[in-house]
Amino acid sequence: EVQLVQSGAEVKKPGESLKISCHGSGYSFSNYWIGWVRQMPGKGLEWMGIIFPGDSDTRYSPSFQGQVTISADKSINTAYLQWSSLKASDSAMYYCARGGRYADFWGPGTLVTVSS
Amino acid sequence: SYELTQPPSVSVSPGQTARITCSGDALPKQYAYWYQQKPGQAPVLVIYNYSERPSGIPERFSVSSSGTTVTLTISGVQAEDEADYYCQSGDSSGTPWVFGGGTKLTVL
Repeated sequence: EVQLVQSGAEVKKPGESLKISCHGSGYSFSNYWIGWVRQMPGKGLEWMGIIFPGDSDTRYSPSFQGQVTISADKSINTAYLQWSSLKASDSAMYYCARGGRYADFWGPGTLVTVSS
Repeated sequence: SYELTQPPSVSVSPGQTARITCSGDALPKQYAYWYQQKPGQAPVLVIYNYSERPSGIPERFSVSSSGTTVTLTISGVQAEDEADYYCQSGDSSGTPWVFGGGTKLTVL
């Protein structure tokens, strides 16, 4: 069974750094793209970027390029999304999802709250 | 940047047919994919590769296309179908996941 397990909810202050994770199991992690999607409260889905764990080929949405870093460690079947300096506007639910042209399996999401 | 346009809301009575449209210039050349998201839950893929349904998705979910518009049709709507629905496609510049703004389906 394909599963994507995401790290737990985070509460951070503006300016702090953060790295959230997405662990895949039940399939060959290295051979499928993993994408990250933001959903702000009450809003729609926004694609942030995508990574191919096999060779770490990474693509970013222009809206998120330079704002976040996506990485993966194929040895432990885990993808990451990180911020170096959080802003209040980064408060949102973040989903990882498997897939290239489309997302066939989704993680449950990680809620990030940034507040002073 | 490439955009996919959906109506903000659609309302139907149980047993009726719901139609949710998704418009985008690249849709004649690119597949549209559809996701269902219920409150407090992650999205779930309901349609891929134009009209394929993943395992567990009922046959009442189907897709049709005309020009730059793709339509998700839910026949015989049930209360459990009440959710937000998002279309997604790629654009010609290589952006793989462009999402529509989402449509809230209300079952009256």
